Amino acid sequence: QSALTQPASVSGSPGQSITISCTGTSSDVGGYNYVSWYQQHPGKAPKLMIYEVSNRPSGVSNRFSGSKSGNTASLTISGLQAEDEADYYCSSYTSSSSWVFGGGTKLTVL
Amino acid sequence: EVQLVESGGGLVQPGRSLRLSCTASGFTFGDYAMSWVRQAPGKGLEWVGFIRSKAYGGTTEYAASVKGRFTISRDDSKSIAYLQMNSLKTEDTAVYYCTRPLGTGEFDYWGQGTLVTVSS
Repeated sequence: QSALTQPASVSGSPGQSITISCTGTSSDVGGYNYVSWYQQHPGKAPKLMIYEVSNRPSGVSNRFSGSKSGNTASLTISGLQAEDEADYYCSSYTSSSSWVFGGGTKLTVL
Repeated sequence: EVQLVESGGGLVQPGRSLRLSCTASGFTFGDYAMSWVRQAPGKGLEWVGFIRSKAYGGTTEYAASVKGRFTISRDDSKSIAYLQMNSLKTEDTAVYYCTRPLGTGEFDYWGQGTLVTVSS
């Protein structure tokens, strides 16, 4: 199972919006609505931000939103804040009863 | 409050074995699948494997990179999940996270991770 494809880095200024893409195949992202997104600050464990493509867990800011089209899922962060600077990973359940992660995207808030 | 606490990491020589533990609290452990995810230094997340709950047979699935070398088990009476790692390679060096996968595909809770270093 190959890793999902994410851009290595994205950046934006405070208040702006950014979008991170996550491209897989019909065996993972395209085949299931079981796409999730995780935020990871340096030295910390990942934190669930989006599940089932577009759902937010309780306590996650509504500035975070998710979507999917075909084999590509996207995470959008609006109204960028300094605290959003972190690594972001997408994940998908797969047809092999396994999971696959994206390579990760480093978000820099300028 | 759900908590997952990993233990058992450390320095081990190539070819040797190590067993990690994940002690859970704050939920009915036996009702849930459990999974392990690792992160090599400076790298991304890699799914390692998971074990289903007893209600779903308690069976396991593994990533190709560890299949045949790693084994996940569980003791529901103690609320502990284990990761037995045999024939360790230098490329297994990583922080190993215990996490809880839900039926809708997400990992909702994560432990703090335990570092495994495979080196001679």
